[in-house]
Amino acid sequence: DAKTTQPTSMDCAEGRAANLPCNHSTISGNEYVYWYRQIHSQGPQYIIHGLKNNETNEMASLIITEDRKSSTLILPHATLRDTAVYYCIVRYLRGTSYGKLTFGQGTILTVHP
Amino acid sequence: DTAVSQTPKYLVTQMGNDKSIKCEQNLGHDTMYWYKQDSKKFLKIMFSYNNKELIINETVPNRFSPKSPDKAHLNLHINSLELGDSAVYFCASSSRRGREAAYEQYFGPGTRLTVT
Repeated sequence: DAKTTQPTSMDCAEGRAANLPCNHSTISGNEYVYWYRQIHSQGPQYIIHGLKNNETNEMASLIITEDRKSSTLILPHATLRDTAVYYCIVRYLRGTSYGKLTFGQGTILTVHP
Repeated sequence: DTAVSQTPKYLVTQMGNDKSIKCEQNLGHDTMYWYKQDSKKFLKIMFSYNNKELIINETVPNRFSPKSPDKAHLNLHINSLELGDSAVYFCASSSRRGREAAYEQYFGPGTRLTVT
């Protein structure tokens, strides 16, 4: 799986948009970009994923650059409960390694009142 | 109802003991996983089972033996526990069927294992 690079930590004011960047410059054409988050002492939680197009769901939006070498997770109105470690993962969904999630260090997002 | 459950939530034991952690999912998924999160918070996959068949086996000491009695259960047995086994162990499940959106993994609450 391609390696990802994320900032170690970020801050955001409550109610503002949180934009979390991820660099995956070695991504291949058939690898997806996934985002998970882990709130303190809980299991990781799926947020969103995409291949080429921008995606939006009830939790967040995912913006993938045209060359697919980077992406941004957007939490449109961050709340205190969004304070967590956010993981950007590039994932191949075929072959014997399918389903395997390789977690990096992630970004610690702290939402302030 | 809890989608992915693990027991016990906390486990404190001494070096050399043998212990098991149990995982159950009620999502109808056909694939289950074990992950280990160490003290530095790195989360790594250990094993994965699909329809009771082992499909992912990372470089894990053979003291760790997963067992899947059926699709809804994946247990982790650890022999001769060592201090370095202290970590939080997460179980997860997913489905191989359908669009890739179904491949998202649902994680359990974790089991904090402390070896003294």
